Order: sequence, then C-alpha cells, then structure tokens
Amino acid sequence: DAKTTQPNSMESNEEEPVHLPCNHSTISGTDYIHWYRQLPSQGPEYVIHGLTSNVNNRMASLAIAEDRKSSTLILHRATLRDAAVYYCSVNAGGTSYGKLTFGQGTILTVHP
Amino acid sequence: KAGVTQTPRYLIKTRGQQVTLSCSPISGHRSVSWYQQTPGQGLQFLFEYFSETQRNKGNFPGRFSGRQFSNSRSEMNVSTLELGDSALYLCASSQGGASQPQHFGDGTRLSIL
Repeated sequence: DAKTTQPNSMESNEEEPVHLPCNHSTISGTDYIHWYRQLPSQGPEYVIHGLTSNVNNRMASLAIAEDRKSSTLILHRATLRDAAVYYCSVNAGGTSYGKLTFGQGTILTVHP
Repeated sequence: KAGVTQTPRYLIKTRGQQVTLSCSPISGHRSVSWYQQTPGQGLQFLFEYFSETQRNKGNFPGRFSGRQFSNSRSEMNVSTLELGDSALYLCASSQGGASQPQHFGDGTRLSIL
C-alpha cells in the first residue's frame, strides 16, 4: 500500500492561502489521492480527490505533481472554520476495495 | 440527504466482553468501510463490505468481525475486548471504487476498563 507523509503542523492567517503538502512516493498508477479533514469529536470530512489532473471544487484545489509522487491541497482563503487536521490518503485501485491508507495528518491552525 | 449514522456514540465495556457497533450508510451507497482511530496508530482500515460481501480486510486479529445486511446497513463486532481496543471506530460509506469519495460518520467512542 502506498504510504503518505505530511508535516505535523502548519499555521496560517485568516483570508490568506494555505498550501498543505503530501508526499506519496510509492503511489501506483491507478491509486487515487483523497484529502479529508477532521474536527474534534467528528468523523473525517471529504474535501477533494484526484488521479492525475489538478482538481477544483467549492472547498479547495488539489495540485498533483506530474510524477504523482506528491500533491498539495490548496485552501484559497483560509477561514477560522478551516482549522482542522487534514489527512492525505490513497485509495488504491484493483482489489484494495474501500481501503483508504491515511497519513498522520497535518494540524492546521488559522490565526485571526 | 441524510449522512452516515453510527450508534451508539459512546460505549464503555470491560475486558473480556464483546461489543457490536452499528452503521447506517447514506441511501444508495452499497460500500461500507470500517476504520479504527487511535492517537498512536492514527486511522487504520479494518474491513470493507459491498452488497453483503466482505471484499477487503485490514491487518487486525480475528476478534474483529463485521457483516452487512441487504439494506447496506453494517455492524462491526469485537469479541474478548482488550484494553488496547479503546479507540474511535468510524464507518464510511461510498458508491464503491477507488474513485469514489468516502463519507464518514462521527464514530463510536469505545472505552475499555
């Protein structure tokens, strides 16, 4: 299974962009990259996912390196509600049904 | 659209007992995955069910088992509880497949005394 590595913590100021990096150097060609975030006492919340191309949705953007060994979650304008633990994960194709392999997560602190 | 519902939210058991946790997926989702979350090990995959069949299993002892019913609801059972089983147990539902996002419930917090 592909392993993911993230910084333990990052800080940002409100209304500034945030770039959260993730390394997944052992990813396979059919593995999808998924990002989730988790607030205290809640389950992880889906943020965005992609395979090869950069992806955008209402919450964030996902930039995937050309060799797919790393990706970056971009929050365009951080708000206090974006303070959470952000998890980069890989969902392997093939017979790894329903299995997300999570990293240790990045604790994002947003300062007003 | 209702989200994933897990019951109960909190549970306290003693060593040696067994416990059953329940998960109701989002309507229309046929895949249910279970995860264990602890401060030391993080989020770890337990198993996945799709249309009542277990398709994948993580590296956990046989004391951890599950099942899925015809309405896609799923249960997870842990027998002969150990202190180390104290954790947040999360279930997630999806339409199945690596390209589909998983939607998580808020978990069951299991404490073993």
